[in-house]
Amino acid sequence: SQQGEEDPQALSIQEGENATMNCSYKTSINNLQWYRQNSGRGLVHLILIRSNEREKHSGRLRVTLDTSKKSSSLLITASRAADTASYFCATGSARQLTFGSGTQLTVLP
Amino acid sequence: DTEVTQTPKHLVMGMTNKKSLKCEQHMGHRAMYWYKQKAKKPPELMFVYSYEKLSINESVPSRFSPECPNSSLLNLHLHALQPEDSALYLCASSRQGIPYTNEKLFFGSGTQLSVL
Repeated sequence: SQQGEEDPQALSIQEGENATMNCSYKTSINNLQWYRQNSGRGLVHLILIRSNEREKHSGRLRVTLDTSKKSSSLLITASRAADTASYFCATGSARQLTFGSGTQLTVLP
Repeated sequence: DTEVTQTPKHLVMGMTNKKSLKCEQHMGHRAMYWYKQKAKKPPELMFVYSYEKLSINESVPSRFSPECPNSSLLNLHLHALQPEDSALYLCASSRQGIPYTNEKLFFGSGTQLSVL
């Protein structure tokens, strides 16, 4: 079953702007991950944040996690046309990793 | 080698055909996964093999039959599929087996399957 819901479903921005995507989930988690998927391709892991962490950075990516609100956000700074893709949050339980509904990001040159 | 390789990339089959999808990784990962993804939807878990044993079957119809010949290979055998089974089939692997902990998944590029 689908655990995470992402917001917005679609986001269109100009190159150089920042993009923020949000993920809400329902049950307890061990970790939360973000993945990117270019059209018709496999998913690529971006970043993993553990349930006892609040913020994590990787290059132009910043992820926050608020376990009390059961939500996470992904910020991409100084976006590029190459960032155009679908972005999925994924919540990890003891059993498996379950993907959210995804945000389609379009970065216009 | 940090790749998960899937073949074929594209497959068109009739409803009476039998075909197989193949997946290979040489990273020494102990868990391998099959996901199904419809257009504009998230991947949905089908099967998980952990230490070469089937650990999770998400109530997948028997027309899909997984096989793990060894720790590096994962197959998905297809028989008597329906048009609604048309989708992108993704293979993934992770370093540790089930129970799943703080592991990231490595995905292949997928097989785009069309059932006519």
